[in-house]
Amino acid sequence: GAVVSQHPSWVICKSGTSVKIECRSLDFQATTMFWYRQFPKQSLMLMATSNEGSKATYEQGVEKDKFLINHASLTLSTLTVTSAHPEDSSFYICSARWFNSGRSQYEQYFGPGTRLTVT
Amino acid sequence: DAKTTQPTSMDCAEGRAANLPCNHSTISGNEYVYWYRQIHSQGPQYIIHGLKNNETNEMASLIITEDRKSSTLILPHATLRDTAVYYCIVRGFNTNAGKSTFGDGTTLTVKP
Repeated sequence: GAVVSQHPSWVICKSGTSVKIECRSLDFQATTMFWYRQFPKQSLMLMATSNEGSKATYEQGVEKDKFLINHASLTLSTLTVTSAHPEDSSFYICSARWFNSGRSQYEQYFGPGTRLTVT
Repeated sequence: DAKTTQPTSMDCAEGRAANLPCNHSTISGNEYVYWYRQIHSQGPQYIIHGLKNNETNEMASLIITEDRKSSTLILPHATLRDTAVYYCIVRGFNTNAGKSTFGDGTTLTVKP
């Protein structure tokens, strides 16, 4: 199946600093990528939908000024957590959508996740 | 997207079939059933999906009831590496395609 990578796989930062997480589709072009957040022992929660070349669409309750999303190319989306605080510590997962023309369907592939710890 | 209900946890003996149920009684006609799993501290992994016919691939089988209100994921010969949280998701094929809403899932523990 298609491969989605994330970088870094884990990061520790101090409170008040900003952290950038990259999501790349390695062998396909993704016009749409999604960003999820997962707290310990909880399910994945969709944060935002990122469309290449346009502004991201955020889910209700997600602060767009705090979680900056940029989708500048068909293979890269970035999530920047600005002025991070300990409550932002979480597992951040991206996914990329790809249209499989052979099967005439959209498919969704997930990245391995990024563990953010804010001290 | 339709809401799904899954048991919180299940155990399965290694080598035996694991049958994971999912209820999706409000599924609409153009919504598909997708299954993913998440091994600890990793991203979700796609397993299988279907509309109304039973499906099988190299990982699992998916049985969807005739009224499409429920489904069962079958891992035919569970191994210790199948221990994970399994998510049943219902979503449209093209509308909101790829935008998966995750419920709480079922924690499957495969025991020796």
